[in-house]
Amino acid sequence: SQKIEQNSEALNIQEGKTATLTCNYTNYSPAYLQWYRQDPGRGPVFLLLIRENEKEKRKERLKVTFDTTLKQSLFHITASQPADSATYLCALPMDSNYQLIWGAGTKLIIKP
Amino acid sequence: SAVISQKPSRDICQRGTSLTIQCQVDSQVTMMFWYRQQPGQSLTLIATANQGSEATYESGFVIDKFPISRPNLTFSTLTVSNMSPEDSSIYLCSVLDGPNQPQHFGDGTRLSIL
Repeated sequence: SQKIEQNSEALNIQEGKTATLTCNYTNYSPAYLQWYRQDPGRGPVFLLLIRENEKEKRKERLKVTFDTTLKQSLFHITASQPADSATYLCALPMDSNYQLIWGAGTKLIIKP
Repeated sequence: SAVISQKPSRDICQRGTSLTIQCQVDSQVTMMFWYRQQPGQSLTLIATANQGSEATYESGFVIDKFPISRPNLTFSTLTVSNMSPEDSSIYLCSVLDGPNQPQHFGDGTRLSIL
């Protein structure tokens, strides 16, 4: 079955630098991959979706890449700010394309 | 995007009791899901709430323990029955408008069982 691996250790980044988070999957290449942000006590909030035929997707300071050969997605935040501190989750569709399976998330801490 | 309201936001319950969590959406949606999230862990899908029919449960979750209702396209409930300390978790409702679309979440219900 499909498994998702994200760095379980918190990532500490200096304000202004680029933060890079990794999402690896183990089995079949999904049709798309999603990234979400979750703040303490809140539900996940959708950020970006990248499809299997897209190498890269951008939204403001966010950039996502998708390498089906490496079975990996990278999530970048450029010019990071303390407000970017949160847990970032990646998610892939199950076979049905309606339901998702989720990584455990990586906690990002941006230090001023 | 849809706005999802979940009630209660948190509760502390006694062992052996049951709690019903409500999820209200401000627009009609195709699909609604219920998840459980342990601290520091990934979201685990409990079931898909189907309008007008029985929910579809994932492996490890059964209707007797987690009965779900979905009477219309904007509302669903999840009941956690005969609770034990192992049921202490965050329960999240999410909605989806169609395939290959993002899910939108409520802020969850933080449940503690004494």
